[in-house]
Amino acid sequence: QSVLTQPPSVSGAPGQRVTISCTGSSSNIGAGYDVHWYQQLPGTAPKLLIYGNSNRPSGVPDRFSGSKSGTSASLAITGLQAEDEADYYCQSYDSSLSGWMFGGGTKLTVL
Amino acid sequence: EVQLVESGGGLVQPGGSLRLSCAASGFTFSNFAMNWVRQAPGKGLEWVSAISGSGDATYYADSVKGRFTISRDSSKNTLYLQINTLRAEDTAVYYCAKARGSTRANYHMDVWGKGTTVTVSS
Repeated sequence: QSVLTQPPSVSGAPGQRVTISCTGSSSNIGAGYDVHWYQQLPGTAPKLLIYGNSNRPSGVPDRFSGSKSGTSASLAITGLQAEDEADYYCQSYDSSLSGWMFGGGTKLTVL
Repeated sequence: EVQLVESGGGLVQPGGSLRLSCAASGFTFSNFAMNWVRQAPGKGLEWVSAISGSGDATYYADSVKGRFTISRDSSKNTLYLQINTLRAEDTAVYYCAKARGSTRANYHMDVWGKGTTVTVSS
């Protein structure tokens, strides 16, 4: 059971917008630690998608955006494309556990 | 090009040991903390261990504390993970990942290797 909670799955049709939530607590997201998001395409290593709550690394399309409020964060994907079908993970630091944590992951299906 | 290449995985019997390596290139290795993250078959990502850029601070997930040892050799630009007393639940792909961030704890993992597979089975 991860300290960062994500929905197991989300889906959307091509062109639509989907959001993935990441709910934490006062010892991680709520303590002010940044949230980061990773995309893992099938059979590949994770790739950094969003860092510092809302920043995109070079090369990541602006269809991907992140936000954070209180003890939660969200990843939004607009203009869904078939190539976005992947697993998405949030990550932060937890001061109670003294370690870096990942959410359980969310599988995005493009219908 | 910034690159991380893991090696050392394999099939090991329960109770056995392995040493994983991660060769880094394309950046000043000693300037960055490094991590090991694992993924069991069909499961999510689990942070395992981290080490500071200088190597003088190490951190472990509770699930591996006392059995795993992280280390680094800046002369060889290589990160290591010594895994002892292996259990079936340690079966996973092990990734090394470079840390980047503003503080010791508040960082993300900006570069990942392709991973090395550890299988624990008799």
